[in-house]
Amino acid sequence: RKEVEQDPGPFNVPEGATVAFNCTYSNSASQSFFWYRQDCRKEPKLLMSVYSSGNEDGRFTAQLNRASQYISLLIRDSKLSDSATYLCVVIASGGYNKLIFGAGTRLAVHP
Amino acid sequence: DAMVIQNPRYQVTQFGKPVTLSCSQTLNHNVMYWYQQKSSQAPKLLFHYYDKDFNNEADTPDNFQSRRPNTSFCFLDIRSPGLGDAAMYLCATSTEDFRVRDTQYFGPGTRLTVL
Repeated sequence: RKEVEQDPGPFNVPEGATVAFNCTYSNSASQSFFWYRQDCRKEPKLLMSVYSSGNEDGRFTAQLNRASQYISLLIRDSKLSDSATYLCVVIASGGYNKLIFGAGTRLAVHP
Repeated sequence: DAMVIQNPRYQVTQFGKPVTLSCSQTLNHNVMYWYQQKSSQAPKLLFHYYDKDFNNEADTPDNFQSRRPNTSFCFLDIRSPGLGDAAMYLCATSTEDFRVRDTQYFGPGTRLTVL
């Protein structure tokens, strides 16, 4: 089983739609959680951290459910510029700070 | 203002011909990482430096080596590239204390083609 699992998509949605991505992680002792965005042939860039209390940044909302080992990202009012791959990232517990990446979920927003 | 710089952005090499990829940073971060990312896959950590301490991932092939001559620079050496080593190589940096919810800063990557 992969340490971080995501639905690869692609999710094809019209502009203005609301879309949700899910992610599960296998290590119950994982400490920190993030969503990264990666555009085609570019480097990953931090989109937002994910906290147990949930957090919102404009049109983006992230949630963490530690009991279910589940992370979500909600994008409201999708824009064409939101088209990218969204990577779920977890920091393993103990030792050094190692990022564990999911394979990513691809989003395509169309007019 | 570029913070993590990778050179070259595109590298073509021949099967078995050694190649070196370069990474430099202006953030003065003490941790530097090298990742390999193949098409439609997650970035895979190869190794990292914590200051001068080298930490290799257990499944990183011996074909991959790294050097960090100073805080600002880190190199990835592929001694005998195979066709399966064609990928994007990403360099990243971070501060020492990840618990403050800092994150890793990625360079733009070097796309390696092996002929």
